[in-house]
Amino acid sequence: SQTIHQWPATLVQPVGSPLSLECTVEGTSNPNLYWYRQAAGRGLQLLFYSVGIGQISSEVPQNLSASRPQDRQFILSSKKLLLSDSGFYLCAWSSSQGAGKLFFGSGTQLSVL
Amino acid sequence: KQEVTQIPAALSVPEGENLVLNCSFTDSAIYNLQWFRQDPGKGLTSLLLIQSSQREQTSGRLNASLDKSSGRSTLYIAASQPGDSATYLCAVTGFQKLVFGTGTRLLVSP
Repeated sequence: SQTIHQWPATLVQPVGSPLSLECTVEGTSNPNLYWYRQAAGRGLQLLFYSVGIGQISSEVPQNLSASRPQDRQFILSSKKLLLSDSGFYLCAWSSSQGAGKLFFGSGTQLSVL
Repeated sequence: KQEVTQIPAALSVPEGENLVLNCSFTDSAIYNLQWFRQDPGKGLTSLLLIQSSQREQTSGRLNASLDKSSGRSTLYIAASQPGDSATYLCAVTGFQKLVFGTGTRLLVSP
């Protein structure tokens, strides 16, 4: 069966520090991968999605970047965090075969102080 | 640009009630619609997925309907239980990505 792992679960970082959040998927090949952010009291905002290794689409201009070095690995990064980067970050995957269900990781609560 | 709205934003009901959560979307050109549940501080769990060609899906006490032409979906929860307390989100799928509503926060009191 397919599983998705996301870590860390919580993270407290000072303004200006770098960020690296990692997400891996097991039990499937060539998944579509997504990074979402959920700010307090707001809906989920799609940040990046990827349909294959090295293929990244950005939905909103921001201080963050994403990379997909391996088929089932998706990384969210920042060189210098801003206060506004605080939020709940969720990684997700879906099958590349048609429009199917989206499966989410357990999320990372990021607090930038 | 697709916009998804959920009403009400919050709902509080006593245990045992049947309830309906609403979701509306502006662009009817969708592949499917999903309903998710999110517990506080947790990821999302997919509850039901309705393909654009379908009208409804059922799972246990949950029933979701889709009227693509009017841009509406409802999630019906029968005989609500305290364990149903969570935020419920709907999301519509366009090309390769989902657009989420802001959710309905449900509290079922014993």
